[in-house]
Formats: sequence, C-alpha cells, structure tokens
Amino acid sequence: AQTVTQSQPEMSVQEAETVTLSCTYDTSESNYYLFWYKQPPSRQMILVIRQEAYKQQNATENRFSVNFQKAAKSFSLKISDSQLGDTAMYFCAFMFPLGGSNYKLTFGKGTLLTVNP
Amino acid sequence: IAGITQAPTSQILAAGRRMTLRCTQDMRHNAMYWYRQDLGLGLRLIHYSNTAGTTGKGEVPDGYSVSRANTDDFPLTLASAVPSQTSVYFCASSSHRGTGELFFGEGSRLTVL
Repeated sequence: AQTVTQSQPEMSVQEAETVTLSCTYDTSESNYYLFWYKQPPSRQMILVIRQEAYKQQNATENRFSVNFQKAAKSFSLKISDSQLGDTAMYFCAFMFPLGGSNYKLTFGKGTLLTVNP
Repeated sequence: IAGITQAPTSQILAAGRRMTLRCTQDMRHNAMYWYRQDLGLGLRLIHYSNTAGTTGKGEVPDGYSVSRANTDDFPLTLASAVPSQTSVYFCASSSHRGTGELFFGEGSRLTVL
C-alpha cells in the first residue's frame, strides 16, 4: 500500500524568508506522479506544483520548487520569498496508474503553514 | 466558468436522516472522486469513478454510496447519517489524458447532530 507522510503538522516563517515543507512516501511503483496542493482559509484546493517520477529535473513554479529524491522517496516543497498569501494548509499527494484508466491518489495529513508579517 | 460545482455548501443534518451531496463537472473528465477532510487526518478517499457507469470503493466507503449515471454527475449519498460523518466533503475530477491533476470543488461542510 502507498503511504504519504508529512512529518510537520505546523510551521511558521517570516515574510520574505524561505521555508521547506517535508514529504516522504512509500511505494514499490516506478511510474507515478507527486503533487503539492495548497488549501487557504477559503477551503479551495489549489494545485501548487507537480512532478513526474520519471523526470530527474526538479519542478519549479515561480517561487515554488521541489526537491525530488526518488531513491530516498522524498518530495519536499520549498517556498522562496514567502508572502502572507502563502498562509495555508499544504498537502503532499501521490498518484499512480493502476492500469487502463484507473488511478489511485493518496494524500498526506497536511502541514499548516503560517507566514508572519 | 468551467469547473466543479458542489451543493449544498453547508448543511446541518439530524442523525438517521438521508442526505445526498451533489457534484457536477463540465470539463468532460473521465474520473471523479469523493474525499472527506478531517482535522489531523488529511483527505481520505470515500469512493471514486473512473468512467461513467463504474464506481469503486476508497479508503473509507462505509456508510456512503455513489452513482455515476453520466460523465458530469457524481452524487454522494449518506443513507442514514451518523455524527462521525460530520466532515467537509470534496468532490474532484481528473482527465486521464491530462497531467494527473485533480480539480476540486469548493467543498460541502456537513454537520450531523
């Protein structure tokens, strides 16, 4: 069974600084996707960044980047130049194809990030 | 605006009552999902459907049922609500020809008394 572990229930960072959120996963699959989703107080789930397991290059989206270590099964999210609007719950998620049109997606329990002014 | 619509956004329900949460998407996505979100537990999959006419059980299916009569609609039914089903429920969809990304509705907060 696939599991996703976010070991930091809560984190805080000062505005304009950099913060890294940790995520590890356990799987025997070789072909899969990894995601970070953001959930601000509005409750909306927003995709932050995605990574295909077959790609060695780390994904980057503006101030958000990942450190994907496939052998270590680690997928951390780095937020640079933190902004007050980054305050949210962040979920790491793992998806793999079961075959045909079937996929399975598993979420971690989340990390609540607070950006302080 | 294309996306996923859930209804109701919030509901208070007496234990033992039947309740259906509605979910409609207009993106013609193959797959649809229902998750519940509880503090400290993250999002847990209740049921899913990979294509119209098929459904499957997720991690926490007990007490819930779903149907997928067409591509757009994926209602979630609580046949006889219990207080432990108090939660925020999210419907989501994804395209198997796309990036694997899930698109979420805005959630339905359900309180069972």
